[in-house]
Amino acid sequence: SQQGEEDPQALSIQEGENATMNCSYKTSINNLQWYRQNSGRGLVHLILIRSNEREKHSGRLRVTLDTSKKSSSLLITASRAADTASYFCATDSTSGTYKYIFGTGTRLKVLA
Amino acid sequence: DAMVIQNPRYQVTQFGKPVTLSCSQTLNHNVMYWYQQKSSQAPKLLFHYYDKDFNNEADTPDNFQSRRPNTSFCFLDIRSPGLGDAAMYLCATSRGRVYGYTFGSGTRLTVV
Repeated sequence: SQQGEEDPQALSIQEGENATMNCSYKTSINNLQWYRQNSGRGLVHLILIRSNEREKHSGRLRVTLDTSKKSSSLLITASRAADTASYFCATDSTSGTYKYIFGTGTRLKVLA
Repeated sequence: DAMVIQNPRYQVTQFGKPVTLSCSQTLNHNVMYWYQQKSSQAPKLLFHYYDKDFNNEADTPDNFQSRRPNTSFCFLDIRSPGLGDAAMYLCATSRGRVYGYTFGSGTRLTVV
């Protein structure tokens, strides 16, 4: 299966701390994306990183990709209570389709 | 604002009674997707369209059908809903493989 697995499944931190979530996947990819989902809502796109990129930043978010290990990490710095959500990675494949398969997700809780 | 709109937000249907969920977009994106998400699980891809080209996932039950009459609209038909089909159904659009998805807010389906 192409589905990514995320680690940890759940993470609870204090406001102001950094949060790191990891995603591992099984097949070769062209691109990997990260999404946030607030409870009971749709997903919001955070970052897309291509297979030839190693790191990408967006505001307080930093994403790394290691294609040799088939893994990616999402770092949220100086976390806020509003960052409380589930975070999913999503991977495409090199087979040329337009679909992304979502990982199992990390539930992040930021305590005020 | 350009967006993806799903109607209704909540849908209750009877066991075995056909139900249709709708999705519309003002983004003019080529690709539209339907995902099923059960509680605390990853979104699972059911099918996607590239323009009118329909792509079904191998493990999507025959009970699920889709229509895309034009660029803006996409429908998910569940012919005979079972209790196991209760879930959040998410519609998403994309310009292509190297672009993030834009998700609607989802339709939460309850089967009674």
